[in-house]
Amino acid sequence: EVQLVESGGGLVQPGGSLRLSCAASGFTFSSYAMHWVRQAPGKGLEYVSAISSNGGSTYYANSVKGRFTISRDNSKNTLYLQMGSLRAEDMAVYYCARANIVLMVDNGMDVWGQGTTVTVSS
Amino acid sequence: EIVMTQSPATLSVSPGERATLSCRASQSVSSNLAWYQQKPGQAPRLLIYGASTRATGIPARFSGSGSGTEFTLTISSLQSEDFAVYYCQQYNNWWTFGQGTKVEIK
Repeated sequence: EVQLVESGGGLVQPGGSLRLSCAASGFTFSSYAMHWVRQAPGKGLEYVSAISSNGGSTYYANSVKGRFTISRDNSKNTLYLQMGSLRAEDMAVYYCARANIVLMVDNGMDVWGQGTTVTVSS
Repeated sequence: EIVMTQSPATLSVSPGERATLSCRASQSVSSNLAWYQQKPGQAPRLLIYGASTRATGIPARFSGSGSGTEFTLTISSLQSEDFAVYYCQQYNNWWTFGQGTKVEIK
């Protein structure tokens, strides 16, 4: 079964750091670009970050650029999101998602994890 | 950054009726557009990619159309399980989501 399982969420103080993980199984992880998407309480989806299949290319939304770092360990089938200088507005459910690869082109996101919750509060 | 605007914010529809959801891009995204469905407490589910191609396992009552800046998701005959929030997403120039349309029972 193709599956993504996030972990690492929790309560952190403003200005603090947290590292999220996303464990992949059931597919060849190293062949897929991966994404992080977040959803603040009661709000819509917000795109966060992407990483290419080999980790050589990354992208960040302006809202997290310079504070978050996406990475992956293909030997461990795991995606990461290192979050720093956390703010109240970073509080959200964080989802990892697999790129929907069709004819070698990214076409949205076809597999999603269940999400992990990050709470930023003093 | 490309801004995606969805309308309406909320759509009230009776079961069995047709629902039409709109998504507009602030600049052309070609056909690089996806639609997702999200139910409360669940992760999003990919419905449509390439503006009009149904993802694996998605029923034929879901259809997508459009290109450039104007896109539509149509649900031909709403079933009880279709009441949810729907998001469009462009992936032509990085990635951005619309704010969502909630489809509720009339």
